[in-house]
Amino acid sequence: EAGVAQSPRYKIIEKRQSVAFWCNPISGHATLYWYQQILGQGPKLLIQFQNNGVVDDSQLPKDRFSAERLKGVDSTLKIQPAKLEDSAVYLCASSLLNSGNTIYFGEGSWLTVV
Amino acid sequence: AQRVTQPEKLLSVFKGAPVELKCNYSYSGSPELFWYVQYSRQRLQLLLRHISRESIKGFTADLNKGETSFHLKKPFAQEEDSAMYYCASTPGGANNLFFGTGTRLTVIP
Repeated sequence: EAGVAQSPRYKIIEKRQSVAFWCNPISGHATLYWYQQILGQGPKLLIQFQNNGVVDDSQLPKDRFSAERLKGVDSTLKIQPAKLEDSAVYLCASSLLNSGNTIYFGEGSWLTVV
Repeated sequence: AQRVTQPEKLLSVFKGAPVELKCNYSYSGSPELFWYVQYSRQRLQLLLRHISRESIKGFTADLNKGETSFHLKKPFAQEEDSAMYYCASTPGGANNLFFGTGTRLTVIP
């Protein structure tokens, strides 16, 4: 079974530039998550989708971060403009629809803002 | 507010020694508790969850509601257990994860 796919794996940008990350969840997984993991911390949920609807985006900095999952499959996370403190690993994850299901993670997209 | 605390950032044990990684939680309601592991150069993956009450790779974890703890234990550590371990929880009925800050376990040969 193919896992959660993410790209790009690594990205270096200057502050105030924009960046976009792409995620393809495991086939059939209705729920998709974006987590931010800053060095030395545990992952923090940014946004959770169920199909193409947003379930929770309470911790998404909406002035600069946006995410979409238009067709209920792939998702894109965008940061514009980036700040130095956005340097982190951005993890995409997916799970089946019902609560209590295992959440599967991608390898992450490493962002460095200089 | 939901919170998961892992008091140890680093833990080193000798091969064959017992290991315990600590996790405490503070919640209202009935959270579900998990341990996730990240081996070197691999993705974050589920190790075990409290509702299944199973042992994975020799690891067990018991939910202690009185102490609000979910410590991860293994009686005899192996070198391949060296990894980053994260305790996590979901609020009852939801399916998103709140993570602790993680403990890096090093098993010394």
